[in-house]
Amino acid sequence: GENVEQHPSTLSVQEGDSAVIKCTYSDSASNYFPWYKQELGKGPQLIIDIRSNVGEKKDQRIAVTLNKTAKHFSLHITETQPEDSAVYFCAANSGYALNFGKGTSLLVTP
Amino acid sequence: DSGVTQTPKHLITATGQRVTLRCSPRSGDLSVYWYQQSLDQGLQFLIQYYNGEERAKGNILERFSAQQFPDLHSELNLSSLELGDSALYFCASSRTSGGETQYFGPGTRLLVL
Repeated sequence: GENVEQHPSTLSVQEGDSAVIKCTYSDSASNYFPWYKQELGKGPQLIIDIRSNVGEKKDQRIAVTLNKTAKHFSLHITETQPEDSAVYFCAANSGYALNFGKGTSLLVTP
Repeated sequence: DSGVTQTPKHLITATGQRVTLRCSPRSGDLSVYWYQQSLDQGLQFLIQYYNGEERAKGNILERFSAQQFPDLHSELNLSSLELGDSALYFCASSRTSGGETQYFGPGTRLLVL
């Protein structure tokens, strides 16, 4: 089945720096790649997604890039703020399911 | 607020017991998904229902079962509970049959003592 690998598992940056989280997937038929943010005690919340017909998508400080040939996609957060601290999950669709990476715990220190 | 509701928020029970978790999807969503989240396993997909029928199965134990009712709410039944079943259980919903944006509920935290 589909396997989604996510790196790094933890990431610590200083406020104002950029953060990059990378994921790879195995199912060449995957065409939808969402990113979720999970704050402590809450459910995952969709923050951005990308479909395979585009290579990059941006929403304010958040951007996602997709390389279908290499089967990898990345989340970029610029000008990080303490409130960006959370666990981030990437996912890729495979058939009827979304397969999730194991998550990246991002800590933004003031 | 995603529009997905889950009850109860917290549940404490004993080994060997049976519990039922409930989920109401967003208005208009036909698919419901169940996930288990423990500290070392990330988000594990358990099962998906679409318009009342089972659509996909993940790593769901035989002791666990689910169903989706005509009003589209779903229940996840966990029986013969073990200590290792302690986890967060999330429900998510999507508009159609799958492989698309899923909206997650706030979760049910289960503690088995």
